[in-house]
Formats: sequence, C-alpha cells, structure tokens
Amino acid sequence: QVQLKESGPGLVQPSETLSLTCTVSGFSLTSYSVSWVRQPSGKGPEWMGRMWYDGDTAYNSALKSRLSISRDTSKNQVFLKMNSLQTDDTGTYYCTRDHEQLGDYWGQGVMVTVSS
Amino acid sequence: DIQMTQSPPSLSASLGDKVTITCQASQNINKYIAWYQQKPGKAPGLLIHYTSTLVSGIPSRFSGSGSGRDYSFSISNVESEDIASYYCLQYDNSNTFGAGTKLELK
Repeated sequence: QVQLKESGPGLVQPSETLSLTCTVSGFSLTSYSVSWVRQPSGKGPEWMGRMWYDGDTAYNSALKSRLSISRDTSKNQVFLKMNSLQTDDTGTYYCTRDHEQLGDYWGQGVMVTVSS
Repeated sequence: DIQMTQSPPSLSASLGDKVTITCQASQNINKYIAWYQQKPGKAPGLLIHYTSTLVSGIPSRFSGSGSGRDYSFSISNVESEDIASYYCLQYDNSNTFGAGTKLELK
C-alpha cells in the first residue's frame, strides 16, 4: 500500500538550514510527483514545492529563494532543504503523493520547532 | 499567485444539520478545487476533487459545487465523526490552500 514517512530533526536553530527526508513505498517516484506541505499549529496548510515524476521541480514563490527539493529514486526518497529558518517556520511538515497535482496520500508529518 | 478566501473560519452545527463552506479564488480556477478534512493530530484527508468528484469511500452526505472563482462544500446530515477542520485547495495553477473552517458541535 502507499505510504510516505517524513523524518528529520525536531529542533532547528534560527538562521540554520532544515533538512527533511520523505521515504515512500507502494509507488514509484518516476510515476508520481511528491510535494512538501507545511502547517503552523492552528493554521491552514501551505504548499511548499513539488518534485515532479520526471525530476523537475516547482516551488512556492514565497519560499523559492530558500527552498530546494531533490530526490534519490534508488532509495525512494525525496529531500527538502530550506535555509535561513526563522521562528515562523515552526510547524508540522508533510510530504504528499500527488495525483493530478493534488495530494491524495499524506505522510504522518514531522513537527519542526525553530528555536534557540 | 492565486489566493483562496475560505469562509466561515468556524461553524457550529447540530447533528443532522446541513452546513456549507465556501471558497473564492482570486481568479478562475477552472473547477480545479479539492476539499480536505483534518482531525486533530492527523494529516488532512482528501474528500472531493475536481469540484464535485467524491473520493472512493467518502459518504454521499459530502458534496461540492461551483465554477469560475466561486465554490462551495456541503455536509448534509452532519454526524459526530464530521467534527473536524476543512480546507479547500486550488490546483489549477500551482497549489494554494484556504485558511480553513473549523466545524464544531452546537
């Protein structure tokens, strides 16, 4: 069955770089795109960016200057790196499998706190 | 970038009520709108895509409609398990979520 699981540090220092990994199973990264979505506590989700099935990437214009998404198809993993973190980057980060550009399966999420 | 204005931010309903949530896009999104349900501590779950197409297994008391910039999502005969937050998502041009509607029991 389709599964996605996010992993990474729960605590990041301000101004540092966040690195997250999404490990997928039950589908191929060369057949489906994967997005990253984040959600501050008590607020709505925010789409961050996408790794297309063909290896291309797309980013939220508000985050583009700080964000990089890559993948390792041999390991079934998609990576997120975002630099210059601030306290308002605190929240739960999800990866999603995309079908027709919308997330039909979501990981459980990983909570990231930006604090010194 | 397309903006999504979702209302109301919160909604109070009794069991058996019909409730409606709306989302207005900043431009025509060609019916490319989806609706998600999120319960506390869980990831959002997809309910409806392409305005009105129910995901397999979703009860028929959930429905969606709209066109152009204006869309709505309804739950008829609200059940206790429907108490959650609901979000719209446009996927016509990139992706933008609405701010959400929290459905509570009256």
